[in-house]
Amino acid sequence: GEDVEQSLFLSVREGDSSVINCTYTDSSSTYLYWYKQEPGAGLQLLTYIFSNMDMKQDQRLTVLLNKKDKHLSLRIADTQTGDSAIYFCAEEGESGYSTLTFGKGTMLLVSP
Amino acid sequence: NAGVMQNPRHLVRRRGQEARLRCSPMKGHSHVYWYRQLPEEGLKFMVYLQKENIIDESGMPKERFSAEFPKEGPSILRIQQVVRGDSAAYFCASSPLLPGQGSGNTIYFGEGSWLTVV
Repeated sequence: GEDVEQSLFLSVREGDSSVINCTYTDSSSTYLYWYKQEPGAGLQLLTYIFSNMDMKQDQRLTVLLNKKDKHLSLRIADTQTGDSAIYFCAEEGESGYSTLTFGKGTMLLVSP
Repeated sequence: NAGVMQNPRHLVRRRGQEARLRCSPMKGHSHVYWYRQLPEEGLKFMVYLQKENIIDESGMPKERFSAEFPKEGPSILRIQQVVRGDSAAYFCASSPLLPGQGSGNTIYFGEGSWLTVV
């Protein structure tokens, strides 16, 4: 079955880069997503990557995809205290109707 | 263009009561998904609906949970005879696409409904 794994916690200092990692098992994944969730709030789509891409950059965010190893990472450059949140990795399979499998989330804590 | 609207945002129910959670998809979206987030967990898929049809309910608990998406009005997630283990955040998402078309970034989530069972 499908499974998405993430490390649970990451702590960085303001201004440093953050790298959040994710592994998945479904080789038929079509799209992979990164969502951000602040306490008591909904999910904010940060970025996504199609499975035939290796890298995608969007301002401070860089997504790297290693399809062979089924490894996805999210790099946040110049991390700010406002980036403190839980980050979820999610994959979309080939079902064709957009159901997502989420990891348990990585809590990013940015200290001044 | 309003986003996915969920209400209530917070709901408290006593054990044994019923909970009804509502979701209005984005304008023009006819595909609705419900996900549940248990404390300190990721989101788990529950059910996928199109207007008047349940397409995939493989993530729904077998008892007490039901969902509908009528021709008119919002989608409803209904939980009968709630128990403490139902306490969670319930997220609705919508998309405009037909099956087989893939999605990319066109899945939009609501702000969630936080259910607390006391």
